[in-house]
Amino acid sequence: GENVEQHPSTLSVQEGDSAVIKCTYSDSASNYFPWYKQELGKGPQLIIDIRSNVGEKKDQRIAVTLNKTAKHFSLHITETQPEDSAVYFCAARDNAGGTSYGKLTFGQGTILTVHP
Amino acid sequence: DSGVTQTPKHLITATGQRVTLRCSPRSGDLSVYWYQQSLDQGLQFLIHYYNGEERAKGNILERFSAQQFPDLHSELNLSSLELGDSALYFCASNGQGIGELFFGEGSRLTVL
Repeated sequence: GENVEQHPSTLSVQEGDSAVIKCTYSDSASNYFPWYKQELGKGPQLIIDIRSNVGEKKDQRIAVTLNKTAKHFSLHITETQPEDSAVYFCAARDNAGGTSYGKLTFGQGTILTVHP
Repeated sequence: DSGVTQTPKHLITATGQRVTLRCSPRSGDLSVYWYQQSLDQGLQFLIHYYNGEERAKGNILERFSAQQFPDLHSELNLSSLELGDSALYFCASNGQGIGELFFGEGSRLTVL
């Protein structure tokens, strides 16, 4: 099955700096890569996603890049703010899931802390 | 608010006991997914139900079972509980096709 590795496990930045989180996946057939943000006491919430036919996607201060050849994808957050502090998870859709489109393999998570 | 409702939010029980976690998906969503979040294993897919039928299984223990009812709410049953079952259990739902998975706020299970 799919295996997703995420780095770093913790990331500390100053407000206004950029933050980058990287993930690699193992199954070359994977075709959907979402990023989720989890705040304390809450469930994960989708912040951005990318499909395998796209190399880059941007939404305001957040961008995701995908390198299918190398089987890795990255989350970039620019102009970080204290409210960006949370745990971030990358994921890959398990292509063996058939029509279980929500069957995702998650990375281990990155604790992002943005210092004012 | 994701629209996915989970109860109870917290549950403390003893080893060997059985508990039931409940989930109501977003209005209109036919799929319910269950995930387990633990410190050492991260977020792990357990099982998927679509309109009352089981569609996919992950590494779900035999002591765990789930079902989805005609009104589309789902229950996850955990029996013969062990200390290692202590975790956050999330329910999620989505619409048709590949896209956003909407998570509830989770049920935190503590087994003593």
